[in-house]
Amino acid sequence: SQQGEEDPQALSIQEGENATMNCSYKTSINNLQWYRQNSGRGLVHLILIRSNEREKHSGRLRVTLDTSKKSSSLLITASRAADTASYFCATSQGGSEKLVFGKGMKLTVNP
Amino acid sequence: EAEVAQSPRYKITEKSQAVAFWCDPISGHATLYWYRQILGQGPELLVQFQDESVVDDSQLPKDRFSAERLKGVDSTLKIQPAELGDSAMYLCASSHTGGRTEAFFGQGTRLTVV
Repeated sequence: SQQGEEDPQALSIQEGENATMNCSYKTSINNLQWYRQNSGRGLVHLILIRSNEREKHSGRLRVTLDTSKKSSSLLITASRAADTASYFCATSQGGSEKLVFGKGMKLTVNP
Repeated sequence: EAEVAQSPRYKITEKSQAVAFWCDPISGHATLYWYRQILGQGPELLVQFQDESVVDDSQLPKDRFSAERLKGVDSTLKIQPAELGDSAMYLCASSHTGGRTEAFFGQGTRLTVV
């Protein structure tokens, strides 16, 4: 079963523009993580935000978390063609801290 | 840089045959995950190990899938018999301490059942 749901499911932008992806989830979480996946490859971790944090930055990435709305957003600023990939949010849940992924969102950055 | 190793990268098998995948996590990582990813969808957790113990296998189709992590290091995921619907990418990941820390993924095994 999948927990998170990314929105939009696909986004196409021009290089240099900002890209915003949203994630909604259903249960209480320990933390929320964002991953990137290039076509046919494994996933790469981008950023982790804990349930008691509201905002976090890493380079061109900014993530926010609203536990009252059970939602998170990932902002990629000044996008590059190399940012073209699928992006997934994942929530760490329960005592076993299992990592449950959303359905993903496909970002295309046009040069 | 340490990586999660998976083999094989690609596997084609006939329906009803047995197939096995191998994963070697990053050294020192106590948690190991196996995920199945169907094209265009997110990874679905099949099984999670903490050292050599299974802590979650609620989504593992136990009639045909089995997983083990003897000695708490590398792991094997087996399917017997394989069905056409098992065609997918099988991803292994490891982390220091469950979902509390980031997970590192291998390149995956692309399984095609014919």
